[in-house]
Amino acid sequence: GESVGLHLPTLSVQEGDNSIINCAYSNSASDYFIWYKQESGKGPQFIIDIRSNMDKRQGQRVTVLLNKTVKHLSLQIAATQPGDSAVYFCAENISPGANSKLTFGKGITLSVRP
Amino acid sequence: DAGVIQSPRHEVTEMGQEVTLRCKPISGHDYLFWYRQTMMRGLELLIYFNNNVPIDDSGMPEDRFSAKMPNASFSTLKIQPSEPRDSAVYFCASSRMRGIHGYTFGSGTRLTVV
Repeated sequence: GESVGLHLPTLSVQEGDNSIINCAYSNSASDYFIWYKQESGKGPQFIIDIRSNMDKRQGQRVTVLLNKTVKHLSLQIAATQPGDSAVYFCAENISPGANSKLTFGKGITLSVRP
Repeated sequence: DAGVIQSPRHEVTEMGQEVTLRCKPISGHDYLFWYRQTMMRGLELLIYFNNNVPIDDSGMPEDRFSAKMPNASFSTLKIQPSEPRDSAVYFCASSRMRGIHGYTFGSGTRLTVV
């Protein structure tokens, strides 16, 4: 598998439990945030995004929460499944436009116990 | 849609050799990004193009790295001469709008320079 998962923080959860993956972003000017999932041997895959004018957004089994006061982003996965095992990255962007950059966090490994 | 296509999937080369990585973005996407992923530095943006024009190459490590996009359906990242510290997974990604709805990543090229 991808060596990118080594030396990253790891969250271990029981199958069926809810998972909460946290991310502290760096730039208070960031106004767009994305969560990505990266499985072994694959590129990062878009999960869900949120703009800074929102504090919560829900998708299928996933919820993203944004706390701009403390620059904190979280991804909640309901009823975690073995297929959710992967490395998860948060990414931030400043006013998506010509000169903005999507900056990725270091990543967190989610391990689902059967 | 076949997604973003990268080749080769794996490349092993000797130090000093030239390496060329290739990418075919999703049709209709006018932004193309090259990222490098390592354990130590995570995902780093090297360069991105908009409508085949390089916009920001500030992430390119040094003059040994160069990238081109001769048309809307093809881009290359070249390293000449390659060094062991260039060993990493290189990802290409594309999007319709910069940062919006996330990027679609390819499966990456794992480069090993010995």
